[in-house]
Amino acid sequence: ELKVEQNPLFLSMQEGKNYTIYCNYSTTSDRLYWYRQDPGKSLESLFVLLSNGAVKQEGRLMASLDTKARLSTLHITAAVHDLSATYFCAVADTDMRFGAGTRLTVKP
Amino acid sequence: DAMVIQNPRYQVTQFGKPVTLSCSQTLNHNVMYWYQQKSSQAPKLLFHYYDKDFNNEADTPDNFQSRRPNTSFCFLDIRSPGLGDAAMYLCATSRARTGGTEAFFGQGTRLTVV
Repeated sequence: ELKVEQNPLFLSMQEGKNYTIYCNYSTTSDRLYWYRQDPGKSLESLFVLLSNGAVKQEGRLMASLDTKARLSTLHITAAVHDLSATYFCAVADTDMRFGAGTRLTVKP
Repeated sequence: DAMVIQNPRYQVTQFGKPVTLSCSQTLNHNVMYWYQQKSSQAPKLLFHYYDKDFNNEADTPDNFQSRRPNTSFCFLDIRSPGLGDAAMYLCATSRARTGGTEAFFGQGTRLTVV
């Protein structure tokens, strides 16, 4: 059974700091997704990573994929309050499975 | 313009009273998923359709059923909702199950059981 593990589950950051969220998975899939979810809202797609070594950046967020290590990272640079949300990674095999999510709080 | 539309956004139902949630898509995607998300938890896959091929997760209770009458629409039926079924229900679509296609989510239906 496909397992997707995220850490940390909770992250409190000061504005301006950098941090990385990790996503480990158990299958040989090379398709990994990152989503953002605000409280009470649905999931917003952030990144789609489709191959080993894929790196994508959007604003202060950068995602990478290492399929050999079965690891994806979401790096936050110079965090701002607007980035406060829950971030999920998801791995696609025959269907799509989510990690537990990382609840990020960025404090002034 | 919304591409995956869920109705209603909020649904209140009585304990044991059947309820249906709907999802429609304008993307002509082959795959439609239903997820259940309880508070502070990750979305949990209930089932998905690949075209007309229904795929049920092994741990999805029998109380949950789904219908897909055509490519555009998919329904989630909860036959006898219990208090534990209160959650956000998310519908998603993707062009294919393989090949790295992105999944698009609807806005969700928040179900309350009273």
